Amino acid sequence: DSGVTQTPKHLITATGQRVTLRCSPRSGDLSVYWYQQSLDQGLQFLIQYYNGEERAKGNILERFSAQQFPDLHSELNLSSLELGDSALYFCASSVSGGAASTDTQYFGPGTRLTVL
Amino acid sequence: AQKITQTQPGMFVQEKEAVTLDCTYDTSDQSYGLFWYKQPSSGEMIFLIYQGSYDEQNATEGRYSLNFQKARKSANLVISASQLGDSAMYFCAMWGAAGNKLTFGGGTRVLVKP
Repeated sequence: DSGVTQTPKHLITATGQRVTLRCSPRSGDLSVYWYQQSLDQGLQFLIQYYNGEERAKGNILERFSAQQFPDLHSELNLSSLELGDSALYFCASSVSGGAASTDTQYFGPGTRLTVL
Repeated sequence: AQKITQTQPGMFVQEKEAVTLDCTYDTSDQSYGLFWYKQPSSGEMIFLIYQGSYDEQNATEGRYSLNFQKARKSANLVISASQLGDSAMYFCAMWGAAGNKLTFGGGTRVLVKP
């Protein structure tokens, strides 16, 4: 158990809908990262927050947004869902948000999203 | 731009034998970190081992060791005395200051045979 929690574990929804994925980082970690894992794209970095502020952005679609709250939990919002958004979405957390190369990211169990 | 290449899509290994998973990387950063993660069929990503670009010694964590050859830009994972529970996907990843993110390779699927 990495100490990172993600809910829900599974999510099935229809095209055009909007969903929210939730993540709680490990105790003491200030940074949260979101990744998408799909069969065709592999593991892709979406976005990073550090202590409530957006720090880095990757291949995140405009239909997707995220935020980190004062209690450091984070939510990833996916809207106008398409079939191609079906994937495993991971949240990871780390202590310093990448201030050093030693900053290990610990992953949550993931949320498997299926868009029908 | 950072790039991680894992050339072995899949491999079999006999139980109790050692296996080496290849990973090569490309980066212009002087300071970077290399990580290996394990993803069993249940889906979670488990951190295994870390190697820093300035570390002179190869990292070891139990049955896992990282064969770091900086000049060749390779960071191969060695799993000794394979167990059935080692059957999983293994991902090599790199963190570099320029990107402030983890870049992952395509993964290697390992199947341990009894």
